[in-house]
Amino acid sequence: TQLLEQSPQFLSIQEGENLTVYCNSSSVFSSLQWYRQEPGEGPVLLVTVVTGGEVKKLKRLTFQFGDARKDSSLHITAAQTGDTGLYLCAGLYAGGTSYGKLTFGQGTILTVHP
Amino acid sequence: EAGVTQSPTHLIKTRGQQATLRCSPISGHTSVYWYQQALGLGLQFLLWYDEGEERNRGNFPPRFSGRQFPNYSSELNVNALELEDSALYLCASSLWDTNTEAFFGQGTRLTVV
Repeated sequence: TQLLEQSPQFLSIQEGENLTVYCNSSSVFSSLQWYRQEPGEGPVLLVTVVTGGEVKKLKRLTFQFGDARKDSSLHITAAQTGDTGLYLCAGLYAGGTSYGKLTFGQGTILTVHP
Repeated sequence: EAGVTQSPTHLIKTRGQQATLRCSPISGHTSVYWYQQALGLGLQFLLWYDEGEERNRGNFPPRFSGRQFPNYSSELNVNALELEDSALYLCASSLWDTNTEAFFGQGTRLTVV
């Protein structure tokens, strides 16, 4: 069974600070997705990374995919209160019993204080 | 373009009853996935349907079942409900290619009393 470790589990910061969330696995992903989820709502897709070493930017959010495609990070610059939420990474592993199923990390609850 | 829609939004059932949850995927998407998100826990994979067939299944008992209809909409059935089945049930859809993004609905909050 593939495990996807996400850290930290909780993050409480002041507005304007920077932060990084990590997502790690011992197995290779065929692709990895980052989501943000509000309470009682479904996760909203932020980005998908596919190529090892890939970097994608979404305004103040920067997503990196490790060269070996086993890890990823989400960096937020100058956090705002509107960034508060649950951030989830989810990986697709190629083949076998994992075929077609997204494996989710346990999530990072981010709270940005004004 | 409409996103993934789920119904009902909330469902309250008593222990031992059956629950039916419904999902309509994004137009053009043929794959539908079901996930369970219990309070304080991450998303656990339940089922994947594509072109009307069950393609993969998570580690859940057989009383969790479902199907996909010719229009690609899907139904999740939970029989013999137990208190611990209380959770947010999320449906997602994607194109057939498993490297493409999955888009989620707003979920159905199932409460078993």
